[in-house]
Amino acid sequence: EDKVVQSPLSLVVHEGDTVTLNCSYEVTNFRSLLWYKQEKKAPTFLFMLTSSGIEKKSGRLSSILDKKELFSILNITATQTGDSAVYLCAPTSNTGKLIFGQGTTLQVKP
Amino acid sequence: AAGVIQSPRHLIKEKRETATLKCYPIPRHDTVYWYQQGPGQDPQFLISFYEKMQSDKGSIPDRFSAQQFSDYHSELNMSSLELGDSALYFCASRRTGEGKLFFGSGTQLSVL
Repeated sequence: EDKVVQSPLSLVVHEGDTVTLNCSYEVTNFRSLLWYKQEKKAPTFLFMLTSSGIEKKSGRLSSILDKKELFSILNITATQTGDSAVYLCAPTSNTGKLIFGQGTTLQVKP
Repeated sequence: AAGVIQSPRHLIKEKRETATLKCYPIPRHDTVYWYQQGPGQDPQFLISFYEKMQSDKGSIPDRFSAQQFSDYHSELNMSSLELGDSALYFCASRRTGEGKLFFGSGTQLSVL
């Protein structure tokens, strides 16, 4: 059975801190891994990772995938209160469907 | 840029009633996915369609059915609603060959 485990489940930091969110997965016919940010409603796309060892960056966010260890991390540097959200890790199978982890709830305090 | 459109945004029903949720994918996206997200839960995959055919099936109850139409929009039909069906229902779309799924804002269904 496909499995996605994210850690920590919740995290409280102060503005300016750096956080690392973890995602381990076991997915049959793995294709890629996506990270989403969910605030109030729809998850919004952050990154798609298909190759191991290649870091993707977008501003203060970066992510990397390790297909051998079945693991991905999402880093956020110099956190801001606007980064407060649930971060969802979602590997995809060859049908394209996302298999979501429980999410990490990040709260950034001023 | 056009996004995934879902309607209605909110829906209140009573037990044993039926509901129909609609999803309009991003133009030129040919694959649609439905997810159910209960309070405090991660989204659970229900069903997906590619080119109007069911492509994958997840934890969709037998009381639910869905289809994709010739204009690629999709509808999720829910019958004999139960209290436990109260959730946020997301639709997501993508174009074949592209890995990214884009989500609609969801339909919040409340069953009383």
